[in-house]
Amino acid sequence: AQSVTQPDIHITVSEGASLELRCNYSYGATPYLFWYVQSPGQGLQLLLKYFSGDTLVQGIKGFEAEFKRSQSSFNLRKPSVHWSDAAEYFCAVGHSGTYKYIFGTGTRLKVLA
Amino acid sequence: EPEVTQTPSHQVTQMGQEVILRCVPISNHLYFYWYRQILGQKVEFLVSFYNNEISEKSEIFDDQFSVERPDGSNFTLKIRSTKLEDSAMYFCASSERQWGGDTQYFGPGTRLTVL
Repeated sequence: AQSVTQPDIHITVSEGASLELRCNYSYGATPYLFWYVQSPGQGLQLLLKYFSGDTLVQGIKGFEAEFKRSQSSFNLRKPSVHWSDAAEYFCAVGHSGTYKYIFGTGTRLKVLA
Repeated sequence: EPEVTQTPSHQVTQMGQEVILRCVPISNHLYFYWYRQILGQKVEFLVSFYNNEISEKSEIFDDQFSVERPDGSNFTLKIRSTKLEDSAMYFCASSERQWGGDTQYFGPGTRLTVL
């Protein structure tokens, strides 16, 4: 069965530091991969997505993610975190045989001033 | 920028009561979804809907749940007889196309509390 794992429930970084949020998936074929962010009181906002092609994808707000098939990973990165990045981040997987996304449990990011 | 809206933002109900959660998808989208997130757990898919029919549903979406597009703009989730375990955040989403890679746009959620 498909699954998505986000190993880190909480991450705390200092403003200006780099960030990497981990996401691992379990699926036989090439999945469609997404990162969403949820700020308090807001919906899930799409940061970026991967379908095929270049394995390094750029998203909004300065985020990027790299698909590594050999590691079944799609980690989210940002070189310099801003206080406004404090939120919960969700990795999600879709594939061609279904309409649904499968989500990870989310990683809550705290940013220290 | 167009967005999905949901009402109410918070609903409190007594066990056994019926609730209707409302969503207004993005206007040119034709595919609609409901997900839920029980506190501390993953966001879980409930159902997808297109052309007045359910296109896919999860095992969570049993007979006590139903979805409807009562008019050209609203999409609703009804829970007929709420249980304590239905307490969760319910997210509505919509997309232009329906395939695993299309972007689903999510609303802010309705927090349902069943007492």
